[in-house]
Amino acid sequence: LAKTTQPISMDSYEGQEVNITCSHNNIATNDYITWYQQFPSQGPRFIIQGYKTKVTNEVASLFIPADRKSSTLSLPRVSLSDTAVYYCLVNRDDKIIFGKGTRLHILP
Amino acid sequence: DAGVTQSPTHLIKTRGQQVTLRCSPKSGHDTVSWYQQALGQGPQFIFQYYEEEERQRGNFPDRFSGHQFPNYSSELNVNALLLGDSALYLCASSLALGEGNTEAFFGQGTRLTVV
Repeated sequence: LAKTTQPISMDSYEGQEVNITCSHNNIATNDYITWYQQFPSQGPRFIIQGYKTKVTNEVASLFIPADRKSSTLSLPRVSLSDTAVYYCLVNRDDKIIFGKGTRLHILP
Repeated sequence: DAGVTQSPTHLIKTRGQQVTLRCSPKSGHDTVSWYQQALGQGPQFIFQYYEEEERQRGNFPDRFSGHQFPNYSSELNVNALLLGDSALYLCASSLALGEGNTEAFFGQGTRLTVV
């Protein structure tokens, strides 16, 4: 499975838009890109998944360029409760491999 | 819909003992995966069960074994516990749709402490 690289940590302020970019240079044709959110001592929670172009749901947007070697998770108007670890991963055939994630800290 | 449920939520064991953790998948899901998450690290894939058989396995020793029952629930067994096995153990269930388009649902985890 393709290895993913994302920032170790990020800080932002309440009300701002946060963009977390992930690189996955070796992504394969059948791979999907998925983002999970995890709070301390809880299981990861699915945020969004995409294959190409743009995907939007009630929580976030996911932007994937044509070459699919990177993706950007966009969180609109974050709040303090969005402080968590965000994992970008590439999954194929139900096998999900997590990287180290990005620790997002939202400040008041 | 109860989602993915794991039991127990917390557990303390002594080094050398054996432990069994349990997972009930989300209704309609037929695939169960287990992960180990040490403090401050991302979840590490242990293995995955589908149709009562181990389908994929991560880089974990044979001390880690599992089982899936006909109702799709699953158990994770760890023998000869080491201090380093202390971690949050996560169960995830998904539906085998193939083509990579899968959304996995995670339970709250079992916090195992080995002393």
